[in-house]
Amino acid sequence: SQTIHQWPATLVQPVGSPLSLECTVEGTSNPNLYWYRQAAGRGLQLLFYSVGIGQISSEVPQNLSASRPQDRQFILSSKKLLLSDSGFYLCAWSVQVPGELFFGEGSRLTVL
Amino acid sequence: ILNVEQSPQSLHVQEGDSTNFTCSFPSSNFYALHWYRWETAKSPEALFVMTLNGDEKKKGRISATLNTKEGYSYLYIKGSQPEDSATYLCAFSSGGTSYGKLTFGQGTILTVHP
Repeated sequence: SQTIHQWPATLVQPVGSPLSLECTVEGTSNPNLYWYRQAAGRGLQLLFYSVGIGQISSEVPQNLSASRPQDRQFILSSKKLLLSDSGFYLCAWSVQVPGELFFGEGSRLTVL
Repeated sequence: ILNVEQSPQSLHVQEGDSTNFTCSFPSSNFYALHWYRWETAKSPEALFVMTLNGDEKKKGRISATLNTKEGYSYLYIKGSQPEDSATYLCAFSSGGTSYGKLTFGQGTILTVHP
């Protein structure tokens, strides 16, 4: 069966520090991968999606970047965090585009 | 910018009540409409993926309808139970250059009181 894991679950970081959130999917190959963010009082916003290794599409201008170094690994990064980067980040995968999404456990980031 | 609106924002019902929520989305260039349930401390889980106008799907006490021409979908819960308490999200995808991207509404927070 397929599983998705993301970590860390909780992160408290100072402004200006770097960020790395990781997500891995097991039990499937060539998944479509997504990073979503839920900021306070807002819905899920698509940040990045990837249909293959090294292929990243960015949805909104922001302080974040994503990489897909392996087929089932998706990484969300920042060189210098801003206060506005605080939120709940969800990694997700799908087989079809745009098929049902399967979400990870989420990572709550607080930037102080 | 694709706008997906959900109403109401929150809802409190008593156990046994039936309830429904609305999701409105752009009626042009429709591809699919998703419903997800997001329980506290868990990951969102898909309830339905709907693609055809007039489609109606059912899973246990939960059902959903879809009207792509007027751009709305309803989610119904019959005989609500406390375990139905969750945030219900709808998400819309269109064709063309937005193909593959889901735009989520803000969700409806349902609380079912015993």
